[in-house]
Amino acid sequence: DIQLTQSPSFLSASVGDRVTITCRASQDISSVLAWYQQKPGKAPNVLIYGSSTLQSGVPSRFSGSGSGTEFTLTISSLQPEDFAAYYCQQLKSFPLTFGQGTRLEMK
Amino acid sequence: EVQLVESGGDLVRPGGSLRLSCRASGFTFSDHYIDWVRQAPGKGLEWVGRTRKAGKSYITQYAASVAGRFTISRDDSRSSLYLQMNSLKTEDTALYYCVRVFSNYYFDYWGRGTLVTVSS
Repeated sequence: DIQLTQSPSFLSASVGDRVTITCRASQDISSVLAWYQQKPGKAPNVLIYGSSTLQSGVPSRFSGSGSGTEFTLTISSLQPEDFAAYYCQQLKSFPLTFGQGTRLEMK
Repeated sequence: EVQLVESGGDLVRPGGSLRLSCRASGFTFSDHYIDWVRQAPGKGLEWVGRTRKAGKSYITQYAASVAGRFTISRDDSRSSLYLQMNSLKTEDTALYYCVRVFSNYYFDYWGRGTLVTVSS
């Protein structure tokens, strides 16, 4: 199974900050990686797929990069609505797996 | 409008069984893979499994944690997906989502989930 390890697990930041979340895969997954945002009490929403393609309707302050085993999600300037949990997911092979999540909290 | 609506969640004792349903609307159900994903209270996301769709030879895939106990099936005529859960354990307690798969690149639509609680 492909393990995904996100870092950090918790991140405290302020509005306007630039933040980066890393997702490392235990084996090569090419670019078959998606990022999701989940707010309390809600289902996740996709932000990025194919490692770097921004989902329609997602603000351009979100960006993704990487291939192989190392990936990043960057938020260029945090907005109040961005404080949430973030998950990476690989769809390269079964079983599909998610990272353990990163909780982004307001400082 | 694409909608996925889960139902069937309940409180069940360890060792018991439960069947969840997911009813889809707003798109051609038979054209898409629909997966199950779960989330234990306060925890992260866990993919549960995927079954084949019409015209595709494909074995149903499951997470190791549920293989042999859970069975996924679908009825395209009813635009519905099912999750039969047997030999339930306390660690199966979670909110169960059905999700639509977009070209195997990501999950583009999620239901609101149905809560399964396994407790004595």
